[in-house]
Amino acid sequence: EDKVVQSPLSLVVHEGDTVTLNCSYEVTNFRSLLWYKQEKKAPTFLFMLTSSGIEKKSGRLSSILDKKELSSILNITATQTGDSAIYLCAAALNTNAGKSTFGDGTTLTVKP
Amino acid sequence: DVKVTQSSRYLVKRTGEKVFLECVQDMDHENMFWYRQDPGLGLRLIYFSYDVKMKEKGDIPEGYSVSREKKERFSLILESASTNQTSMYLCASSLSFYTGELFFGEGSRLTVL
Repeated sequence: EDKVVQSPLSLVVHEGDTVTLNCSYEVTNFRSLLWYKQEKKAPTFLFMLTSSGIEKKSGRLSSILDKKELSSILNITATQTGDSAIYLCAAALNTNAGKSTFGDGTTLTVKP
Repeated sequence: DVKVTQSSRYLVKRTGEKVFLECVQDMDHENMFWYRQDPGLGLRLIYFSYDVKMKEKGDIPEGYSVSREKKERFSLILESASTNQTSMYLCASSLSFYTGELFFGEGSRLTVL
């Protein structure tokens, strides 16, 4: 059975802190690892990682995939209250790249 | 921008009622998906469709069916709603077989009494 596990399940930090969110996966036919941010509504896409060891970066957010360890991390530096959200990790499959197995998410709360 | 629209944001139904959840995407995407999201269980795939009139079961298809008569529209049907189907339902689309990025609708929160 395909499985994606995220840790921690929840995290409370103060503005300006740096956070690291973890994701590990055990899936057959792995194609890519995706990160999404979910505020009150729909998840929105952050990153897709296909190659091991190559960092993807967008502003204060960055992510890297380790295919040997079957894991990925999402880093957020200089956190802001607007970063408060659920961060979802998903493993997409070769059988259909849009068919993803999701983790339970990490709920990040950033306090002023 | 891709837009995925779920017609009903909040629904309250009674046990045994038939429920239709509609989803429309406007970017000619091949793939469409229905997920449900529950606290502590994450997003779980119910059904997906990779072409008109084509569908495949996801991880939790029991109690659900789907319809895709047109490329842009994907409907989720609960033939006889039960209380354990109370959940947030998320529709998503992706461009093709080879692209993993999902575009989500805003969700339909269904309560079954």
